[in-house]
Amino acid sequence: AQSVTQPDIHITVSEGASLELRCNYSYGATPYLFWYVQSPGQGLQLLLKYFSGDTLVQGIKGFEAEFKRSQSSFNLRKPSVHWSDAAEYFCAVGASGTYKYIFGTGTRLKVLA
Amino acid sequence: DVKVTQSSRYLVKRTGEKVFLECVQDMDHENMFWYRQDPGLGLRLIYFSYDVKMKEKGDIPEGYSVSREKKERFSLILESASTNQTSMYLCASKSTSGSSYNEQFFGPGTRLTVL
Repeated sequence: AQSVTQPDIHITVSEGASLELRCNYSYGATPYLFWYVQSPGQGLQLLLKYFSGDTLVQGIKGFEAEFKRSQSSFNLRKPSVHWSDAAEYFCAVGASGTYKYIFGTGTRLKVLA
Repeated sequence: DVKVTQSSRYLVKRTGEKVFLECVQDMDHENMFWYRQDPGLGLRLIYFSYDVKMKEKGDIPEGYSVSREKKERFSLILESASTNQTSMYLCASKSTSGSSYNEQFFGPGTRLTVL
């Protein structure tokens, strides 16, 4: 079955610390992978996406993610977290020729001053 | 910039009322989507439309219907609202070409409360 797992429901980090949010997927076809961020009361904003090519993808706001096919993972990283990064983060997977994307259940990030 | 707008940010309705949630996108996208978002469940797809007057059921279509008479507008209809439809509703549109290929753009959401 197709699925996306974000194993961490909540993560708390100190401002300036590094961050890694985990995402694992199960998908039959070659996946398109996405990370979105949702600030409180807002819609989702795309941080970055992977379709093919270089497995290390750079996104907005200093985020990056690495696609590891052997581990079925697409983890999101940031070297130094800012207080404004506090939000909920969603991983999603889709594929060429399909309309439907599958979203993970989200990871809520809290940043300590 | 792509803009997806939703008619209301907050809505309060009574059980049994017919509810319309409107979504408009300004980038000529073919595909449009309605999701509901509940804590711990992520985003679940209700319906999507791949072109004008075309629609397909998502994962949780029960109790909902949709309408897409014009390319830019996609409406979600709750025929008879129930308390278990209290949720955040997110609309999205998707490009099928160009630099934003396959990227979904989201509206700000409508938080619906059914009393």
